[in-house]
Amino acid sequence: AQSVTQLGSHVSVSEGALVLLRCNYSSSVPPYLFWYVQYPNQGLQLLLKYTTGATLVKGINGFEAEFKKSETSFHLTKPSAHMSDAAEYFCAVSEGQTSYDKVIFGPGTSLSVIP
Amino acid sequence: GAVVSQHPSRVICKSGTSVKIECRSLDFQATTMFWYRQFPKQSLMLMATSNEGSKATYEQGVEKDKFLINHASLTLSTLTVTSAHPEDSSFYICSARSGGQYFGPGTRLTVT
Repeated sequence: AQSVTQLGSHVSVSEGALVLLRCNYSSSVPPYLFWYVQYPNQGLQLLLKYTTGATLVKGINGFEAEFKKSETSFHLTKPSAHMSDAAEYFCAVSEGQTSYDKVIFGPGTSLSVIP
Repeated sequence: GAVVSQHPSRVICKSGTSVKIECRSLDFQATTMFWYRQFPKQSLMLMATSNEGSKATYEQGVEKDKFLINHASLTLSTLTVTSAHPEDSSFYICSARSGGQYFGPGTRLTVT
């Protein structure tokens, strides 16, 4: 069975500082990995995804993540935090890309950006 | 990209009544849709997989008789919360895959 853990339910960074949100996964097959962002009282927005190929994935809003199979990790980073980055971030895993492959979410990390 | 809509966006109902939430894929056909529930400040928990023309597959611990799912067409899945209670108050989100994974905007259910 697939699962996701996110170390740190809450992360605070100063504006302009590096953002690092951790994600580790468990999957019995090569995983498909995702990072989503959710702003208060809103739906989910896809930041980036890893399917196959290049292990460093670039997403929207300056975020990127690196798939490390040996560490079963998919940590999300951004070089310089903006106030607008304050939100809830979810890492997710799927065992396929077909229409019937379900996506399992991690517990989420709440990011605060301090002025 | 593909669009998934949900209706209603918010609903308030009295305890003991039933509420139906619709999930539509607007510009693609979805043989499979997924229903998630999200409690405040928590993650999305997969409730069930909705399959067009057949029974839904429920995750462990989800009461299938309480959360009725009907996927009658390739563009519509409905979730009915039967005999709702305050503990059913939550944010319900549906999704479908068409290449990527597309999420609906969610439905906030409040049971009084």
